[in-house]
Amino acid sequence: AQKITQTQPGMFVQEKEAVTLDCTYDTSDPSYGLFWYKQPSSGEMIFLIYQGSYDQQNATEGRYSLNFQKARKSANLVISASQLGDSAMYFCAMRGRSYNTDKLIFGTGTRLQVFP
Amino acid sequence: EPEVTQTPSHQVTQMGQEVILRCVPISNHLYFYWYRQILGQKVEFLVSFYNNEISEKSEIFDDQFSVERPDGSNFTLKIRSTKLEDSAMYFCASMRDRGLEQYFGPGTRLTVT
Repeated sequence: AQKITQTQPGMFVQEKEAVTLDCTYDTSDPSYGLFWYKQPSSGEMIFLIYQGSYDQQNATEGRYSLNFQKARKSANLVISASQLGDSAMYFCAMRGRSYNTDKLIFGTGTRLQVFP
Repeated sequence: EPEVTQTPSHQVTQMGQEVILRCVPISNHLYFYWYRQILGQKVEFLVSFYNNEISEKSEIFDDQFSVERPDGSNFTLKIRSTKLEDSAMYFCASMRDRGLEQYFGPGTRLTVT
């Protein structure tokens, strides 16, 4: 069975500093995708970044990068130069691409608070 | 930029009543989903829908739940007889093709009293 684990219920970071949000996963699918979503206090789910299991390079999207370590089954999100608007819940999610499964499995989330 | 929309943003209903949550996916997307998030908990998959039929559903998606794409643009989730434990945020999502990202709507907060 697929599983996502986020061990940090909450993280604090000072504005302009970088922060890493941890995510580990477990799957028996040979092909899968890893996602990060941001959920501000308003409740919507905002797609941030995607990493495919066969991608050779770590994904980057602006200030977001994904530190993908396949052997360790980790897909940590790195936010550089944190901004106050980054304060939100962050969810790591996985999708298996084998066996006709395309649902997302989410972790429990990490609440990030950015302070001035 | 195209986006997934959901109505209503908040629905309050009494236990035992039927509710229909509405979603308009992004127009060229082919795969549609419903997820729910009980307050303070993680997002859980309910059902996926492709080519006018359910492609996968979770254990949560029992006989009280149904989905429909009645007119080629709307995608609805119906709960026939709501229970207190159905209170949650319900998210609709759509995806253009397999292997791509899913785009989520803003959610409908359902409160069952």
